[in-house]
Amino acid sequence: DIQVTQSPSSLSASVGDRVTITCRASQSVVRYFNWYQQKPGKAPKLLIYAASSLQGGVPSRFSGSGSGADFTLTISSLQPEDFATYYCQQSYSNPQTFGGGTKVQIK
Amino acid sequence: EVQLLESGGGLVQPGGSLRLSCAASGFTFSSHAMSWVRQAPGKGLEWVSGVSDSGDYIYYADSVKGRFTISRDNAKNTLYLQMNSLRGEDTAVYYCAKQKTDLYSSFDFWGQGTLVTVSS
Repeated sequence: DIQVTQSPSSLSASVGDRVTITCRASQSVVRYFNWYQQKPGKAPKLLIYAASSLQGGVPSRFSGSGSGADFTLTISSLQPEDFATYYCQQSYSNPQTFGGGTKVQIK
Repeated sequence: EVQLLESGGGLVQPGGSLRLSCAASGFTFSSHAMSWVRQAPGKGLEWVSGVSDSGDYIYYADSVKGRFTISRDNAKNTLYLQMNSLRGEDTAVYYCAKQKTDLYSSFDFWGQGTLVTVSS
């Protein structure tokens, strides 16, 4: 199974900050890599698919990059509604696996 | 508008069974792979099982293999998860998730989730 390591597990940031979350897969997943946002008590929401494609309706301040085994989610200017937990996921092979999550908190 | 409505969750004793359903609408159900993803209380996301659009290809997480069975009825636009020999560690919110295309694509829409509690 492909393991996905996500870091950091939590971070504190202020509105307007640039935030970066990274994930590393245990082997190459090419660009079969996705990012989700989850708010408390809600279902996850797809932000980025295929490593760098923005899902419809998602603000352009979210961007994804990377290929192979290393991937990054960047929020260019953190907004109040962005405080949430973020998960990365590889869909290259089954079982599909998620990173452990990054909780973005208010500084 | 895409809608995924899960049902069938509840409290069950260890060793018991439960069948989850996910009623889909707002898209061509038979053209998309579907999966179940779960989240234990206070924990992260865990993919459980996935089925191709036709139902011909099915995968399971090792943690549920041999105990859970995924199926779909494309005529009824409904996804199922039959869960047998339930254990305490199966306690979680179970989400039904639509895949963007095939079994190797992202989960672009999720249901609201149904809570399964395994306890005596």
